[in-house]
Order: sequence, then structure tokens, then C-alpha cells
Amino acid sequence: DQQVKQNSPSLSVQEGRISILNCDYTNSMFDYFLWYKKYPAEGPTFLISISSIKDKNEDGRFTVFLNKSAKHLSLHIVPSQPGDSAVYFCAASGRRDDKIIFGKGTRLHILP
Amino acid sequence: NAGVTQTPKFQVLKTGQSMTLQCAQDMNHEYMSWYRQDPGMGLRLIHYSVGAGITDQGEVPNGYNVSRSTTEDFPLRLLSAAPSQTSVYFCASSYSPGGQPQHFGDGTRLSIL
Repeated sequence: DQQVKQNSPSLSVQEGRISILNCDYTNSMFDYFLWYKKYPAEGPTFLISISSIKDKNEDGRFTVFLNKSAKHLSLHIVPSQPGDSAVYFCAASGRRDDKIIFGKGTRLHILP
Repeated sequence: NAGVTQTPKFQVLKTGQSMTLQCAQDMNHEYMSWYRQDPGMGLRLIHYSVGAGITDQGEVPNGYNVSRSTTEDFPLRLLSAAPSQTSVYFCASSYSPGGQPQHFGDGTRLSIL
């Protein structure tokens, strides 16, 4: 039973436009949500996070939005750049659970 | 500052062989974990540890053993390799699991014939 779902396996976006990656979760006990970026043959690297007490967190070109009532979060990248082409993973954890659960990932292609 | 170091980077095993994947971190992180990445399956948690001497099972623990005798090291053991364990394995660490960014190694690509 998937607790963290990324329903779009891939996404193509024109360079300079906005990329929106989505993530849904089922466990209402999750308190922290993180996004990771992964290039081929490398380990994932941390991108941005948000705690359940906030509904938005921004870091440069990256913004994460959290809708707790819908159990949905999204990552916005604007403007999209060629180096953003990678696989993006959504991850979640709770204060009372030491497990960190990842989604299946979304492959983002930035088109020239 | 090396971060999280995984060895080996590549390994081919025959069914039934045993092997230990090594993971070491130099950031004095208490929390360490092992994931496997398979096509279309994302990153699935195998085992994790909240500190030396303490380990617990993740989502897919069967066929794997772990121990945590020191803060720095968290080896993953395959006692009798099976083709279903062909995967890319990632080790990660952080100060704590709660909301802290995980630092990942570059992975071990393991093939079981």
C-alpha cells in the first residue's frame, strides 16, 4: 500500500516555463515532506522541505506547497532550466515514526 | 569532507552467494538507512538505524541483515543472494529522521545471476 504517491512517471516542460511536480500521501501522521533530485549514476540530493505547520516554503527557483486537507503537495520550479532535467522524489516522515517513505519519482525533461 | 561513502560501486554475484555492502559516514549522524531502487518502484526502505546498537526493519527487509556497532558504519548483508535482489542500493544518513535532509551515497549497483 503506497503511502506516498507520485502519479506522473514523467513530465516535459519547455525551458523557461514553470515545472509543477505533484505528490499525494495517505498517512495523516506525516509531519515532514521533502523533495529530492536525482541524476543518473548519483545518489539523490536534497532540494527543499516543508513541515506540516506550513503551507508554503520557498528557496530560490523552488517552491513547495502543502495542502493538508487534500493530503497533497507540489513542487514548483520557475523558471525551468536544462540542469533541472532529473528524477524528482517526494518523501515523507512523521515525528512518531523513524521511517522515511519515498514516492516512485517523476522524471522531468526540460526541453530547449 | 567525504559525506556518505558506499563500497563497492558495482558487484556481480551468483545466486546463493553472500555479500556485505559497506556504508560509512563522517558527519556524526545518528540516523542511517538503506534503500533499494528498482525501475518504476522508487526508493524502498530496507532497514534503518537511529543510533549505534539500534536497528529496525523498513518496508522490504526480507533477505537482508544489518548491524550498527559504531556511529560511522552501517553495513548491509545479503546472506544468500537471489536474482530478486538485483537492484541499486543507496545508503543515507542524517542527524535525525524527522524532517532532516538525508545525505545519500552514490549507490552500489548489484547484479545477481
